[in-house]
Amino acid sequence: QVQLKESGPGLMQPSETLSLTCTVSGFSLTSNGVGWVRQPLGKGLVWMGTIWAGGSTNYNSAVQSRLSISRDTSKSQVFLKMNSLQPEDTGTYYCARHISGDLFDYWGQGVMVTVSS
Amino acid sequence: DIQMTQSPASLSASLGETVTIECLASEDIYSNLAWYQQKPGKSPQLLIYYANSLNDGVPSRFSGSGSGTQYSLKINSLQSEDVSIYFCQQNYDSPPTFGGGTKLELK
Repeated sequence: QVQLKESGPGLMQPSETLSLTCTVSGFSLTSNGVGWVRQPLGKGLVWMGTIWAGGSTNYNSAVQSRLSISRDTSKSQVFLKMNSLQPEDTGTYYCARHISGDLFDYWGQGVMVTVSS
Repeated sequence: DIQMTQSPASLSASLGETVTIECLASEDIYSNLAWYQQKPGKSPQLLIYYANSLNDGVPSRFSGSGSGTQYSLKINSLQSEDVSIYFCQQNYDSPPTFGGGTKLELK
């Protein structure tokens, strides 16, 4: 079955670079896109960016200058890197399968990231 | 970006009751509206897409409706397992944007 699982550090310092990994199973990264969605504590969901089946990427303009999404199809992994972290980047980061029609049909369990000195 | 506004922000209802959650888009999204359910401590799950199409496995007590800028999610005969936060999302224009969520609790 389709599964996604995020991994990465839970605590970061301001100005550091966040690196998260999303490991997927049950589908191919060359057939479906994978997006990253952030949820600040107790708040709503914000789409950050997506890497599509063909390898192209789209980013939310709010974080575009700081964000990079890449993948290793041989390992079924998608990577998020975001630099210049600030406390407002604190939240739960989800990876989700991003299907045609801009829908997110399967989500990972999420990883909580806290940015604090 | 298209702004999505949900109401109410929180809602308390009794078992067996019918509840309705509203979602207002800042412009016409031509029924490109999805609803997600996020149970406590869990990740979101796709409930409804294109305003009124139920995702596989979603109970028939859930329904969606609306057009233009106004949409709603209706839950008939509320069950205890429906306690969740519900989010709407527009998928008409990029970037996809979500509403702020509606927290549904049992009275």
